[in-house]
Amino acid sequence: AQSVAQPEDQVNVAEGNPLTVKCTYSVSGNPYLFWYVQYPNRGLQFLLKYITGDNLVKGSYGFEAEFNKSQTSFHLKKPSALVSDSALYFCAVRGPGKSTFGDGTTLTVKP
Amino acid sequence: DAGVIQSPRHEVTEMGQEVTLRCKPISGHDYLFWYRQTMMRGLELLIYFNNNVPIDDSGMPEDRFSAKMPNASFSTLKIQPSEPRDSAVYFCASSIHTDTQYFGPGTRLTVL
Repeated sequence: AQSVAQPEDQVNVAEGNPLTVKCTYSVSGNPYLFWYVQYPNRGLQFLLKYITGDNLVKGSYGFEAEFNKSQTSFHLKKPSALVSDSALYFCAVRGPGKSTFGDGTTLTVKP
Repeated sequence: DAGVIQSPRHEVTEMGQEVTLRCKPISGHDYLFWYRQTMMRGLELLIYFNNNVPIDDSGMPEDRFSAKMPNASFSTLKIQPSEPRDSAVYFCASSIHTDTQYFGPGTRLTVL
C-alpha cells in the first residue's frame, strides 16, 4: 500500500522569505511523486513531479522539490515567497493506477 | 486543448432528487478519476477508470452513487437519491498512464 503524509496543516511565512512544505511517502518500488496546488474555488493544478533522475526537480512558479530516498521525503521549496503563493498544496504518490494524496497544507504568505 | 470539462459547475437540489455530474476528459488520456472534496474529509478518490473500464470503486460511499464511462470522451457520476451529506465539490481528473493528473474545475453540489 502507498501513503503520503503532510505533517503540517498550515505553514505561515513572510513575503520574500524562503518556504518549505513538507511531504513524506511510503510506496513499494520506485516512487512517482507529485506536487499540486489548489487556489480557492479551483481544481488542483500540477506544479512538479519526480519520476527519475536528478533529485532536485524544478517546477512552475519558481517552485522546486528535493527527492530524498533515504528519508522518503519530497519537500516543496521556494527561495522567495510571494503573497500570490498562498494556497492549498497537495503532495501525491502515484501507484500502478491511482494516486494517493496527502491531506494538504495551507500556505499563507503575509506581506 | 480545453482541459478537463465538467458540468454543471454548480448544482443545488433537494434531498431525494437524482443528481448527474458530467465530465469530458482530455483527448488521448486513458485514465479518468472522480474525487470528492469536503472540509471535513478532504480529497477522496471515489472511482477511477482505465480505458473506459472501472478499475477501483472502493471509494464510492454507498449504493446511491454510481459512475459510468460509455466512451473515451465522457463520464457521469450519479447520485440517487441525494442526501444533504453529499454536499461537496466533485472533481474529475484525467491522465495518460501513471503521469500527471489534470483536474477539471469541479462541480459544487449543494443538497438541501
